[in-house]
Amino acid sequence: NAGVTQTPKFQVLKTGQSMTLQCAQDMNHEYMSWYRQDPGMGLRLIHYSVGAGITDQGEVPNGYNVSRSTTEDFPLRLLSAAPSQTSVYFCASSYSGVSYNEQFFGPGTRLTVL
Amino acid sequence: GQQLNQSPQSMFIQEGEDVSMNCTSSSIFNTWLWYKQDPGEGPVLLIALYKAGELTSNGRLTAQFGITRKDSFLNISASIPSDVGIYFCAGRLTSGTYKYIFGTGTRLKVLA
Repeated sequence: NAGVTQTPKFQVLKTGQSMTLQCAQDMNHEYMSWYRQDPGMGLRLIHYSVGAGITDQGEVPNGYNVSRSTTEDFPLRLLSAAPSQTSVYFCASSYSGVSYNEQFFGPGTRLTVL
Repeated sequence: GQQLNQSPQSMFIQEGEDVSMNCTSSSIFNTWLWYKQDPGEGPVLLIALYKAGELTSNGRLTAQFGITRKDSFLNISASIPSDVGIYFCAGRLTSGTYKYIFGTGTRLKVLA
């Protein structure tokens, strides 16, 4: 199993550009989520999904869109990039069972918005 | 946004020493997770806790789910240089769905 994969690993955007961060998992996990990590702030939840066709907002959803058309993929779209979105983005997945819900993280995408 | 209070923020220790860190909150959690993050990598799960009072070990690491369900502790015994990294706690709220709240991290440096 490849686990959770993310592409690209690095990205530089100009203000106002749009892009999609890709995330895929091959563990048949129902739950997937996107976090951003900023210095000294830990990880903050952007959006999450409990299954194909179902998404919901996390703590910091503004400026981001998600969709979940398949169990495996959960892309994150930046509609109009802003410097405040410079961050490291992590995708995570887990089972949704009550007692087995540890999250497994991808390697991250390092995004710089100029 | 809500984040867990994690302490200490950073610590320098000598190789061979034991390390303790903790996470506290004003909210009740039904799951606690402890992660380690190496530079340039994503967090890697170390230990998962599901019941108040639960004590779980993973090699030299031991974590406990506080009996009040508002805190958790991680201990590392006989630290080695590869223990260097950032340790995060994460909690899942009882009243939430599948949302996890993360601590701000403890940065550990081990001096050989």
